[in-house]
Amino acid sequence: DIVMTQSPDSLAVSLGERATINCKSSQSVLYSSNNKNCLVWYQQKPGQPPKLLIYWASTRESGVPDRFSGSGSGTDFTLTISSLQAEDVAVYYCQQYYSIPITFGQGTRLEIK
Amino acid sequence: EVQLVESGGGLVQPGGSLRLSCAASGFTFSRYWMHWVRQAPGKGPVWVSRINSDGNYPNYAESVKGRFTISRDNAKNTLYLQMNSLRAEDTAVYYCASLNEGATGWGQGTLVTVSS
Repeated sequence: DIVMTQSPDSLAVSLGERATINCKSSQSVLYSSNNKNCLVWYQQKPGQPPKLLIYWASTRESGVPDRFSGSGSGTDFTLTISSLQAEDVAVYYCQQYYSIPITFGQGTRLEIK
Repeated sequence: EVQLVESGGGLVQPGGSLRLSCAASGFTFSRYWMHWVRQAPGKGPVWVSRINSDGNYPNYAESVKGRFTISRDNAKNTLYLQMNSLRAEDTAVYYCASLNEGATGWGQGTLVTVSS
């Protein structure tokens, strides 16, 4: 199984500042057929299902604000929120879909400082 | 827009069974792989199972293999999860999910509680 490890476990950032969350996979999730990374980022608020933010590691889902961006390749990935808004308080998860079983990171709790 | 509505959760005793359903709309259900993902209280999501578009190729997490069965009825746009020999550690919110580019979405989930 591919193990996904996020850092940090929790993060407090001031409004308007940048937030950075890291995700590392235990093996590469780069799909050779299309040279894309099989990694997504989700945002989850209490009582709600996860909401897709980013797929293929760096493609923003339709309707997601452009302050959210994803980067990285192979085994190391980053979710960046360029200017934190109050509504961004949530838990963020990375997930790989390169191989079965699909696996998730343990989550990063993002709060306002 | 992908819409998924789960049903069938509830309280069941250890060793018991439940069948979850997921009604899909807003996309061409019969074209896509579908998944079940669960989330225990206060924990992160955990993938449970998936099934291909025509229902012939299921996959399962090791923790549920031999106890859970995923299936689908494309004529009814419905995904199922038959859960047998339930254990306390199966307690979670169960989500139906479409994890496909261009057709991504999660249901609101249905709570399964395994307790005596």
